[in-house]
Amino acid sequence: DAKTTQPPSMDCAEGRAANLPCNHSTISGNEYVYWYRQIHSQGPQYIIHGLKNNETNEMASLIITEDRKSSTLILPHATLRDTAVYYCIVRAPNSGGSNYKLTFGKGTLLTVNP
Amino acid sequence: GAVVSQHPSWVICKSGTSVKIECRSLDFQATTMFWYRQFPKQSLMLMATSNEGSKATYEQGVEKDKFLINHASLTLSTLTVTSAHPEDSSFYICSALPDGSWNTEAFFGQGTRLTVV
Repeated sequence: DAKTTQPPSMDCAEGRAANLPCNHSTISGNEYVYWYRQIHSQGPQYIIHGLKNNETNEMASLIITEDRKSSTLILPHATLRDTAVYYCIVRAPNSGGSNYKLTFGKGTLLTVNP
Repeated sequence: GAVVSQHPSWVICKSGTSVKIECRSLDFQATTMFWYRQFPKQSLMLMATSNEGSKATYEQGVEKDKFLINHASLTLSTLTVTSAHPEDSSFYICSALPDGSWNTEAFFGQGTRLTVV
């Protein structure tokens, strides 16, 4: 799976949009971009994933550049409860259970300030 | 969304004893589950892939005789830390992959905080 690069930390004001970048310049054509987050002392929580089109769900939006070498996770109206470590992961489609491995990098610690 | 439950949420044990952690998928079947370990201020590290009805696959550097994995049913995997030592103190997290779905996301348990004294 391709390697990702994220800033170690970011701050955001409550109520404002949080834009978390991720570089994945070695991504392959069939690899998806996944985002998870981990609130302190909890298990990771799935947020969103995409291949090349922008995606939106009730939690966030995912913007993937046309060359697919980078992406941005957008939390439109950040709240204090969004303070967490956000992980950007690139992986190929699920080709079989035992091949489904999520490799976690160091992620970005997003701190939402009041 | 799908729910994965881990039990216990935290446990304290004495050095030399064994501790069993359970991971259950509550509303879906999972032939494949994964066990991770996370030390303070570090990221999650995959320990092993648990497969129902067959032996687990361990990542390099993880002792299979120390971290026993049993995936006895399609909804339950257990991780037993045998002869625990203080350096085994960590946050253990499982995840489960729903059967029958292509490119779906895996769901994670809430984690188990193990402290060995």
